[in-house]
Amino acid sequence: QQQVKQSPQSLIVQKGGISIINCAYENTAFDYFPWYQQFPGKGPALLIAIRPDVSEKKEGRFTISFNKSAKQFSLHIMDSQPGDSATYFCAASHTGKSTFGDGTTLTVKP
Amino acid sequence: GAVVSQHPSWVICKSGTSVKIECRSLDFQATTMFWYRQFPKKSLMLMATSNEGSKATYEQGVEKDKFLINHASLTLSTLTVTSAHPEDSSFYICSVRTGSYEQYFGPGTRLTVT
Repeated sequence: QQQVKQSPQSLIVQKGGISIINCAYENTAFDYFPWYQQFPGKGPALLIAIRPDVSEKKEGRFTISFNKSAKQFSLHIMDSQPGDSATYFCAASHTGKSTFGDGTTLTVKP
Repeated sequence: GAVVSQHPSWVICKSGTSVKIECRSLDFQATTMFWYRQFPKKSLMLMATSNEGSKATYEQGVEKDKFLINHASLTLSTLTVTSAHPEDSSFYICSVRTGSYEQYFGPGTRLTVT
């Protein structure tokens, strides 16, 4: 049973466009929802995270939207740049232990 | 956040030998670290939770006798892959938990077993 479902698997966006990646979870005990960015051959880097008591969090060009009732959350990357090309993972955590989505490979075309 | 290092960054070993991977928390006293495994173009799979001064907690399906974890200090956890086989070839990543929620990852170790 996959606890965190992520879509799309891959995404191609033009430079300056908006990249949107979606995740859905099943376990209502999850209480922390981070997004990670991973470049090839590197470890994941924490990008932005949200707790379920807020519906949106914005940090620079990155925004998380969170819908508790639907058990869904999404990452929006505004003004996408070629340097944003990477794999993005959503995760859901409970007691500090994370379950990851399958990842989205983002390609931003110049 | 926490700065996490791993050593080595890549290692090649022969089938049947053991290999040790170190995970260091450089600027944070970590009571809890995690070890993950990642196959190419796949997600991270949690292998075990490493607790300082006590035994690691392994996820279902992970052989604790094959993947030995030692968290002897607040800054160092080690993962030893014993009697490695080609199917153990993977990208191994550790992370440090800095509070109730946040995790910071190391750069990963690429293991190739020939």
